Order: sequence, then structure tokens, then C-alpha cells
Amino acid sequence: DAGVIQSPRHEVTEMGQEVTLRCKPISGHDYLFWYRQTMMRGLELLIYFNNNVPIDDSGMPEDRFSAKMPNASFSTLKIQPSEPRDSAVYFCASSIPGQGGAEAFFGQGTRLTVV
Amino acid sequence: AQKVTQAQTEISVVEKEDVTLDCVYETRDTTYYLFWYKQPPSGELVFLIRRNSFDEQNEISGRYSWNFQKSTSSFNFTITASQVVDSAVYFCALSEAEWDNAGNMLTFGGGTRLMVKP
Repeated sequence: DAGVIQSPRHEVTEMGQEVTLRCKPISGHDYLFWYRQTMMRGLELLIYFNNNVPIDDSGMPEDRFSAKMPNASFSTLKIQPSEPRDSAVYFCASSIPGQGGAEAFFGQGTRLTVV
Repeated sequence: AQKVTQAQTEISVVEKEDVTLDCVYETRDTTYYLFWYKQPPSGELVFLIRRNSFDEQNEISGRYSWNFQKSTSSFNFTITASQVVDSAVYFCALSEAEWDNAGNMLTFGGGTRLMVKP
């Protein structure tokens, strides 16, 4: 398997524009996670899905952020409208079920810059 | 609430030195999992090790070793005979096991940047 695939790797956009980040999890992984990494807040969980269903979105910073998982092999994280403070590296990760014990495999991340 | 603290924000060593990265965690659960991830300059997060709360055996993998001590809520990571390629940011993380759909939500520490100089 190619691992978790994220696109694009880099995104530069202007404030106010809509941004969509994409993720393809590892085949057979039932859990999908979106994390954000910033200098100020480190790595923080935004939302996660189990079998395509959002389970916990308490980490989503505000209504401008939304995530979907229409099928087992694809997820999106959308920011509309984007703001400069959204600039960060966004990671997608997937794992198999394991009651907390299975390691998460991370994609290479999308570096988002909002100017 | 769970919390992971990596007090060392940055460590610099000379190649071949041994180095220990500290990790202290807080959790109310009796069952939990601890992880270490490596983030090299290229930016990806690479899984290194997982340890569950019932297994306090230390683990060694090549030049890497991990010391888990529940009594002090610590899960420290030692690199023996460090190499320049070990230069990276290392993250300790905690996941609390739940019997519902809590999955494998990770709480990360702030990371320790390790610089190994030739």
C-alpha cells in the first residue's frame, strides 16, 4: 500500500478563499484523523471518522472548518473562508480499530499558507 | 483530561553521544497507550513505538530504547551513539483506550527538536 496520501502538498491562497485539502487513507483502515500542526499549538486533533462517520469534531476551531468522508477511501477538509491564522501543516492519518492501541499512519501533510 | 509534556524543547549533541528525550504524561485512565513519533526535516510523521499501560518492560530496537515507568508517569526515549540522521523533532503521544468509538485519538506533547552535530 502506498500509505496515506494527501494532496496538495503545498497550498498558498489568499485570505477569504475556499481551501480544500484531500486525503486517501490506507485501504482497510476504519479510522481517519485530521490533525493540524502549528508552532503555537503543536499537533492537535481536529476531527476523526470511524467507518466514514464523524465521531468527534470538538477540535474543529470554528464553523469555517468542515470535513467530510463520502467513502472509505477519501476525505476532505475544507476551510471557507480562509484566514491567515489558518496557516499550518494539516496532517491526515488513518488506523485500524484497536481501542486506542493501534498506531496511526500519517500522510506527508499539506502545508497551507493563507496570505 | 490527558496531557503530554516534553520539557526539553531542543537538545543538541555531538555525533556518537547518547541522548535521552523525556516524556511525562497525565491521564485518569488505567488503560492507555503511549507512542513516539519522529518528524524529520522532510516533515512527515514516522511511527517509532507503541506501548500499552500494562506492559512496563523496557524495549530496545537497535540504537533506540524506551523506558516506561508508570510510577513516575514517564516514557523516556534514549538514542545510543547518536547519528546526524537522527536529527529530527520527536513527539511523544498518548491515547486513552475506550470501549466505544473513541478510536485512537492522540494527544501529542510539544515535541523535542534533536540536533546531532557531526
